[in-house]
Amino acid sequence: NAGVTQTPKFRVLKTGQSMTLLCAQDMNHEYMYWYRQDPGMGLRLIHYSVGEGTTAKGEVPDGYNVSRLKKQNFLLGLESAAPSQTSVYFCASSRGGFGGQETQYFGPGTRLLVL
Amino acid sequence: TQLLEQSPQFLSIQEGENLTVYCNSSSVFSSLQWYRQEPGEGPVLLVTVVTGGEVKKLKRLTFQFGDARKDSSLHITAAQPGDTGLYLCAGGRYSNYQLIWGAGTKLIIKP
Repeated sequence: NAGVTQTPKFRVLKTGQSMTLLCAQDMNHEYMYWYRQDPGMGLRLIHYSVGEGTTAKGEVPDGYNVSRLKKQNFLLGLESAAPSQTSVYFCASSRGGFGGQETQYFGPGTRLLVL
Repeated sequence: TQLLEQSPQFLSIQEGENLTVYCNSSSVFSSLQWYRQEPGEGPVLLVTVVTGGEVKKLKRLTFQFGDARKDSSLHITAAQPGDTGLYLCAGGRYSNYQLIWGAGTKLIIKP
């Protein structure tokens, strides 16, 4: 099993450009998450999904959109990139999610630089 | 926003020493998880504690959940270079799916 995979691994964008980050998991997990990680700030939840066809906003959703058309995939879109979106993006999945007692499995991350 | 404060933010010690990392909040959590993250990789779960006062051991690592479920500690005995990494704590809330993450403790163990 590959676990959680993310593409691309690294990307450089110019301000105003758009892109989509792809996350795929092969563990048949219901819950999927997108986080961003910035120095000194830990992980911040952008959006999450509790099942195919559902999405919900996390702590920092502005400037991002997501879709979960298939259970195994969770896409994160940036419609008009800004330098403030320079970060490392992590996707995670879990079997369950309520109450925080389930293990979250993370992908290797996507490093995004917006110039 | 509920916060989890981790301390210290950075710790560099010699191999063989003991250390403790703390994760504190003014809020009550349903669970507390500890993850370790190595450079260029995603976090990996070490342990989940769910009962106030609970203590779990993972080889040389000892995790404790505070009696009031507001804080946790990670103690490493006889640290080794392989323990080097970023240690993150994350609190679960009774009411939803979101974890509250601490900012992390960067640990370096020198040979």
